[in-house]
Amino acid sequence: KQEVTQIPAALSVPEGENLVLNCSFTDSAIYNLQWFRQDPGKGLTSLLLIQSSQREQTSGRLNASLDKSSGRSTLYIAASQPGDSATYLCAVRRSGGSNYKLTFGKGTLLTVNP
Amino acid sequence: GAGVSQSPSNKVTEKGKDVELRCDPISGHTALYWYRQRLGQGLEFLIYFQGNSAPDKSGLPSDRFSAERTGESVSTLTIQRTQQEDSAVYLCASSLRTGANTGELFFGEGSRLTVL
Repeated sequence: KQEVTQIPAALSVPEGENLVLNCSFTDSAIYNLQWFRQDPGKGLTSLLLIQSSQREQTSGRLNASLDKSSGRSTLYIAASQPGDSATYLCAVRRSGGSNYKLTFGKGTLLTVNP
Repeated sequence: GAGVSQSPSNKVTEKGKDVELRCDPISGHTALYWYRQRLGQGLEFLIYFQGNSAPDKSGLPSDRFSAERTGESVSTLTIQRTQQEDSAVYLCASSLRTGANTGELFFGEGSRLTVL
């Protein structure tokens, strides 16, 4: 059974810092990995998706990497801003016949202080 | 539509009443998911629809929960005889079918259900 762990559970940083959020998974047979942000009381917004054959994806100040063999992904946020404050979740989609199944981590609550 | 649309955004009901939540996926998305998120908790899978295939209902917590989808369009999640523990945000998501596509998942804003 796939398990997804996100560390740390919460993180508080001053504005302008670069930071890294971690996501680890136990089963490397994945189709892709997706990072989301969730603002309080809202749905999930897709940030980046990395296919299993890819090593990283970038969008603006965000960079996500994937090391499938070690079961790890990181989300790097450069020059953090107060507007980045949210919960960040990662989700892995399994490969194979039931590749509609996703497993979510519990998220990292990020607070960026002005 | 441009995104996944859910209604109502908020629903307050009395214990024992039935509620119906609606999800309108992104046009052309054949896959549709329902998740539940209790306060301070992670996402809990409820049900998955893919086109006209039989849905995966393995995540529905009890027989008070049911969901329908007509073809590749709107889905409704029905909770009968609501209980206080049903209070949560119900999230709908859709995607293109995996294989030839990335399988990127897009979520709606959720329906917040409060059972008094």
